Amino acid sequence: DARVTQTPRHKVTEMGQEVTMRCQPILGHNTVFWYRQTMMQGLELLAYFRNRAPLDDSGMPKDRFSAEMPDATLATLKIQPSEPRDSAVYFCASGTGEGGETQYFGPGTRLLVL
Amino acid sequence: SQQGEEDPQALSIQEGENATMNCSYKTSINNLQWYRQNSGRGLVHLILIRSNEREKHSGRLRVTLDTSKKSSSLLITASRAADTASYFCATANYGGSQGNLIFGKGTKLSVKP
Repeated sequence: DARVTQTPRHKVTEMGQEVTMRCQPILGHNTVFWYRQTMMQGLELLAYFRNRAPLDDSGMPKDRFSAEMPDATLATLKIQPSEPRDSAVYFCASGTGEGGETQYFGPGTRLLVL
Repeated sequence: SQQGEEDPQALSIQEGENATMNCSYKTSINNLQWYRQNSGRGLVHLILIRSNEREKHSGRLRVTLDTSKKSSSLLITASRAADTASYFCATANYGGSQGNLIFGKGTKLSVKP
């Protein structure tokens, strides 16, 4: 049963600390998306990659957020330094790269920054 | 920026009743998708309808698309308590956005047993 995995599932940290979230896309998927979900803003696209190259990261605050794909099986999202307003659920999703294709979501990382 | 807007924001029905959710969008699309999100979980894809299709069925789900009105509806027939979740529409425009989806804010459906 292929699925997207994310770690950690929950993270509580203090303001100013670095946070790293990891995602393993479904094997064979070449597109990875990072989303942030809050009650106020809903689901926001932060960045996405195709064949490990960033296609769009315009939704991401550049001064503190960074997203990378060190290899085809791992995507990372880092926040440094973290702030309370970063508290949200962060989802990773993967797709087959056909453009506007179905996306398969991971279970999310619930982040709380105190 | 939000493309799809679901209506209503919240819907409460009794088990066995039908649930209808609507989605309106602003720009031209290549396809429109519906996703479900159970509390505390990731989104799960339900159905995809292409811009040249008008209606699609999957089990108890029926989706319609009216590109002239830029709107879609999701009908869940004979609802069950397990259908309680948030439902999101997402639009894809290959040309403008290189293939990502733009999600609405969702309709929260509560099905009472």
